[in-house]
Amino acid sequence: EAQVTQNPRYLITVTGKKLTVTCSQNMNHEYMSWYRQDPGLGLRQIYYSMNVEVTDKGDVPEGYKVSRKEKRNFPLILESPSPNQTSLYFCASSLRTGSNSPLHFGNGTRLTVT
Amino acid sequence: KQEVTQIPAALSVPEGENLVLNCSFTDSAIYNLQWFRQDPGKGLTSLLLIQSSQREQTSGRLNASLDKSSGRSTLYIAASQPGDSATYLCAVGQTDKLIFGTGTRLQVFP
Repeated sequence: EAQVTQNPRYLITVTGKKLTVTCSQNMNHEYMSWYRQDPGLGLRQIYYSMNVEVTDKGDVPEGYKVSRKEKRNFPLILESPSPNQTSLYFCASSLRTGSNSPLHFGNGTRLTVT
Repeated sequence: KQEVTQIPAALSVPEGENLVLNCSFTDSAIYNLQWFRQDPGKGLTSLLLIQSSQREQTSGRLNASLDKSSGRSTLYIAASQPGDSATYLCAVGQTDKLIFGTGTRLQVFP
């Protein structure tokens, strides 16, 4: 089944403890992206990747890192999480950016930083 | 800077009604416009994608239109059902990103 898989689904952590949220897609998509969703603010892009070893900042990149060493994986790293990073996070992928192919989303990771 | 607005923010209707959800955007330089559905606690599911050169797309009871010149898209849901209850988001595609509206929360009651 074609899908975007994120892990974990739920995560509670403390301020400053490094964490990684994994994202994997099995559709051979070139484009991958991370979003955070907050009430009243909608979905905002954190980072995106147009292909392997190519990443760029989105609208809200501060406090996050990403890497794209393989086409299928695009982990999101919070090196020193803070409470304002408590949010619902989504990974998404599509065939190519600007290609008129739909964006496929994972089921989300709900992160709480205390 | 592109801004995407969805009206209304919430909508509650009886089963069987035909619905129109609205999406407006400020910059007409877009590749496409997508409509998504989000169920509580779940990810987004792509419903329809309209390319910038197209005027509308249809899938089952859903029809989406696009008017780039006026910066508007509408999602028409025919004969609504309780299973249509969800949040509907539109997003405009630009060079390297999708820019999302904040969504319309729809409740269809029996």
